[in-house]
Amino acid sequence: DAGVIQSPRHEVTEMGQEVTLRCKPISGHDYLFWYRQTMMRGLELLIYFNNNVPIDDSGMPEDRFSAKMPNASFSTLKIQPSEPRDSAVYFCASSTRETQYFGPGTRLLVL
Amino acid sequence: AQSVTQLGSHVSVSEGALVLLRCNYSSSVPPYLFWYVQYPNQGLQLLLKYTSAATLVKGINGFEAEFKKSETSFHLTKPSAHMSDAAEYFCAHPGGKLVFGAGTILRVKS
Repeated sequence: DAGVIQSPRHEVTEMGQEVTLRCKPISGHDYLFWYRQTMMRGLELLIYFNNNVPIDDSGMPEDRFSAKMPNASFSTLKIQPSEPRDSAVYFCASSTRETQYFGPGTRLLVL
Repeated sequence: AQSVTQLGSHVSVSEGALVLLRCNYSSSVPPYLFWYVQYPNQGLQLLLKYTSAATLVKGINGFEAEFKKSETSFHLTKPSAHMSDAAEYFCAHPGGKLVFGAGTILRVKS
């Protein structure tokens, strides 16, 4: 298996623009997680899905952030409008039980 | 609240020396505990996990961790550090959803 796939790997955008991050989980995994990592706040769980249904989105910073999982093999995290403080590395992870497998991350820079 | 605490945000050891990264958990019933490693500019990779089967858990790259209920600890060790071990290490506990410690950056000096 190719592991968790994220795209793009790097994104540079200007404040106010819409940003869409993509994730393809490992086939057969029924849980999908979105994390954000910054120097200041460390690793934060934003939202997670089980069988394509959002279970806990309490970590989503504000309404500018939204996440979808239209099917078992694809999820998006959207930021609209983006702000400089959204600059971070965003990780997607998937699991079937207790062990989560992480993607390589998307490094986002909002200017 | 269930959580994990990593003692020491930075640890520095000489190449060939013992590596000891500390993790304490707060849950009374930890069904699972994990150590993940993050190399620079990469995602997190599972190093090892405790699932109640054995208190001493062996992971990849020569690392191991011992679950000690009396001390509520799950410290990560490696007998001899290698330069390639330089990375950030996270202890994690699935308290409903995976809860990560703050991370410990390991530096290995030549």
